[in-house]
Amino acid sequence: DTAVSQTPKYLVTQMGNDKSIKCEQNLGHDTMYWYKQDSKKFLKIMFSYNNKELIINETVPNRFSPKSPDKAHLNLHINSLELGDSAVYFCASSRGLMRETQYFGPGTRLLVL
Amino acid sequence: QKEVEQNSGPLSVPEGAIASLNCTYSDRGSQSFFWYRQYSGKSPELIMFIYSNGDKEDGRFTAQLNKASQYVSLLIRDSQPSDSATYLCAVNFGNEKLTFGTGTRLTIIP
Repeated sequence: DTAVSQTPKYLVTQMGNDKSIKCEQNLGHDTMYWYKQDSKKFLKIMFSYNNKELIINETVPNRFSPKSPDKAHLNLHINSLELGDSAVYFCASSRGLMRETQYFGPGTRLLVL
Repeated sequence: QKEVEQNSGPLSVPEGAIASLNCTYSDRGSQSFFWYRQYSGKSPELIMFIYSNGDKEDGRFTAQLNKASQYVSLLIRDSQPSDSATYLCAVNFGNEKLTFGTGTRLTIIP
């Protein structure tokens, strides 16, 4: 009965490849997020969508492209992967934008070789 | 640049004692404050949120907010080894996103 799920859990790939990470939430939330957590455990927001509309787009290379086919799904596609993209990527969701608790998925551990 | 600062630790506390975790933030207009716990290799999970000045208690956890001094703290009473984790402070600055601190690593010593 997972609330926020992500696939895959682990992703090991070569530099230059293109990969996607999928996220689904069954909480009925309107807002979904992508975060990147680096090796120093710093958690930084990348994108957020509210009802399929892009709300937040932080300073992220345009090799990263989010896509929300419906409000229960938010996918992340990464082109031309670089070594520095190695991190844990967390998807999260919340009922709304302000003052709302965010619930995190289990994370996708990406290693670029 | 709106910032959230935490002492990275590690903070070592004997079992049964009170663990005190602190967080300061840069914007007086901040609206809501969250404490998340993250075990190694796991995702962040919410411990508590607080919106108003003062204390908020939930079991062994107490969040304290002082907007004038721009700090929020988390107290863990009767610390248990299972409380050993990284604790992340997060602030909503009113800009539709959460800004996280770098986290404090807490170790409870049996």
